[in-house]
Amino acid sequence: AQRVTQPEKLLSVFKGAPVELKCNYSYSGSPELFWYVQYSRQRLQLLLRHISRESIKGFTADLNKGETSFHLKKPFAQEEDSAMYYCALSVGFQKLVFGTGTRLLVSP
Amino acid sequence: KAGVTQTPRYLIKTRGQQVTLSCSPISGHRSVSWYQQTPGQGLQFLFEYFSETQRNKGNFPGRFSGRQFSNSRSEMNVSTLELGDSALYLCASSLSTGENTIYFGEGSWLTVV
Repeated sequence: AQRVTQPEKLLSVFKGAPVELKCNYSYSGSPELFWYVQYSRQRLQLLLRHISRESIKGFTADLNKGETSFHLKKPFAQEEDSAMYYCALSVGFQKLVFGTGTRLLVSP
Repeated sequence: KAGVTQTPRYLIKTRGQQVTLSCSPISGHRSVSWYQQTPGQGLQFLFEYFSETQRNKGNFPGRFSGRQFSNSRSEMNVSTLELGDSALYLCASSLSTGENTIYFGEGSWLTVV
């Protein structure tokens, strides 16, 4: 089965606190994973892809095949990070399987 | 360069009617895919087209259909609309080769009354 699980619907933190948004996947093939972000009134946009192993806006994500996880982390949250975050799994021919999303709320 | 463009942005239809949504991909992108986003089901894949051929299809009834034109522009059609079809319909495009980032449009908000 192809499935992406984001267990938290809402994650509320204070500015400056560390953030970890959880993502677990189920896929029999070699996974290609992404994090997409949707800021208020903006389109869904790519934040990170696991194969690039880069840090975007201070966020990083490491693929752990043993734990089938791809958690998104940031050491110090900023108010502008408040958004909806979706973990997605590519399963071929441009088909993405999305998790249900986690709303991150960063309070001052 | 311009992003993925979807029209119309907002529309209201009556049950039983049909609707056509349009998508213009990023210039040079040959793959176009469609997603339905609802509060209850989240983001769900509808179908994907590449060079005018449907390569992949999600688990939606036959009332949902699409097509792609030779210029890579795409349309999706929903016939015999039901209240449950009310959703944000997202179009996405990508190169489908090499750097394979999928870029999304702002979506078409469909309300069925």
